[in-house]
Amino acid sequence: DAGVTQSPTHLIKTRGQQVTLRCSPKSGHDTVSWYQQALGQGPQFIFQYYEEEERQRGNFPDRFSGHQFPNYSSELNVNALLLGDSALYLCASSDTRTSPREQYFGPGTRLTVT
Amino acid sequence: GQNIDQPTEMTATEGAIVQINCTYQTSGFNGLFWYQQHAGEAPTFLSYNVLDGLEEKGRFSSFLSRSKGYSYLLLKELQMKDSASYLCAVPGSGYALNFGKGTSLLVTP
Repeated sequence: DAGVTQSPTHLIKTRGQQVTLRCSPKSGHDTVSWYQQALGQGPQFIFQYYEEEERQRGNFPDRFSGHQFPNYSSELNVNALLLGDSALYLCASSDTRTSPREQYFGPGTRLTVT
Repeated sequence: GQNIDQPTEMTATEGAIVQINCTYQTSGFNGLFWYQQHAGEAPTFLSYNVLDGLEEKGRFSSFLSRSKGYSYLLLKELQMKDSASYLCAVPGSGYALNFGKGTSLLVTP
């Protein structure tokens, strides 16, 4: 049973560029949430996707956008990268029907903006 | 909104017991989660408390008092591999998890 997978593992981008991060949820899960974790901080909720729509959004600017595909996988896009966007980006999946609040995390993508 | 507080760092000795506290303020309570996160890795689920009291799961136990807005994670028979960050989280409105900043636990020989 595959857990949550994310790609790429690490990424280095230049300020002003755009980046796309990818996530495949745990088998049987239909909901994907994205979190940003700065060094030494707890994860911060970016948004959640369910049925291919953004269901809930945290306090992040419009530069952060996402998408969910029919197979439940998801992408996180960040435009006009800032140095402050450097962080570990975590994807978490859950099953809305049975345990909507129990979220399983992927290994994360470490984004460095220079 | 949510306000979640936990100590920044703790140190304990291998074989000992350590208690990591978490206090929270939330409008509407839907349970409290504890996650373990090793450096550079994903958070892994440890426990979920929705009712008052102590829940034991092997060497790890978690306690909740809803009236006091308080929880703790108790780790017994500490091992070196328990050195990690421990995150307290409460669901916010909807399905987002709101995390504390985490407690970095160092287990020494």
